[in-house]
Amino acid sequence: DAGVIQSPRHEVTEMGQEVTLRCKPISGHNSLFWYRQTMMRGLELLIYFNNNVPIDDSGMPEDRFSAKMPNASFSTLKIQPSEPRDSAVYFCASSPTWANEQFFGPGTRLTVL
Amino acid sequence: QKEVEQNSGPLSVPEGAIASLNCTYSDRGSQSFFWYRQYSGKSPELIMFIYSNGDKEDGRFTAQLNKASQYVSLLIRDSQPSDSATYLCAFSNTGKLIFGQGTTLQVKP
Repeated sequence: DAGVIQSPRHEVTEMGQEVTLRCKPISGHNSLFWYRQTMMRGLELLIYFNNNVPIDDSGMPEDRFSAKMPNASFSTLKIQPSEPRDSAVYFCASSPTWANEQFFGPGTRLTVL
Repeated sequence: QKEVEQNSGPLSVPEGAIASLNCTYSDRGSQSFFWYRQYSGKSPELIMFIYSNGDKEDGRFTAQLNKASQYVSLLIRDSQPSDSATYLCAFSNTGKLIFGQGTTLQVKP
């Protein structure tokens, strides 16, 4: 079975550019989570969806970040405009039900120059 | 106070020894606890979860939970060099997981 799929795996962009990260959760999972990981701050939850509805976006750092989940099999995380401090690894994870174990995708390593 | 506290390490053990990883949490209402392993440059991988007080064993791994002390631990028996990784503990809170910073384990041959 396919796990969580993320694209692109690596992204290098210049400050001010728009960046879109994509995620396909495991089929049948109804919760989806976006995380950011840095050495300094560790693994931070940015936003999560349940049944395609955003439940908690309190971790989204600022208005430059937005996330959507138009259907059960696809989600995007967009940064516009991007800044060097956004450089991190962004993970998407999915879960079959609330409060159950989450399964992580391979991550997108974002570098903003 | 951080919601989840872990010693960042590194914790160094010789091959074949027992590695003990510890985690404390602040939310007394937490019901579910998880241990993830993360190799360098890879994504977190679930290795154990525990819901009830006591021990839960899975192969070489044992998770221990003490809700009264707000403490969860992971024991790795017969440690192997391939166990060298960062171990993240997490607890569930209103549908999301709160992660600790992780403990780096080094198993020396």
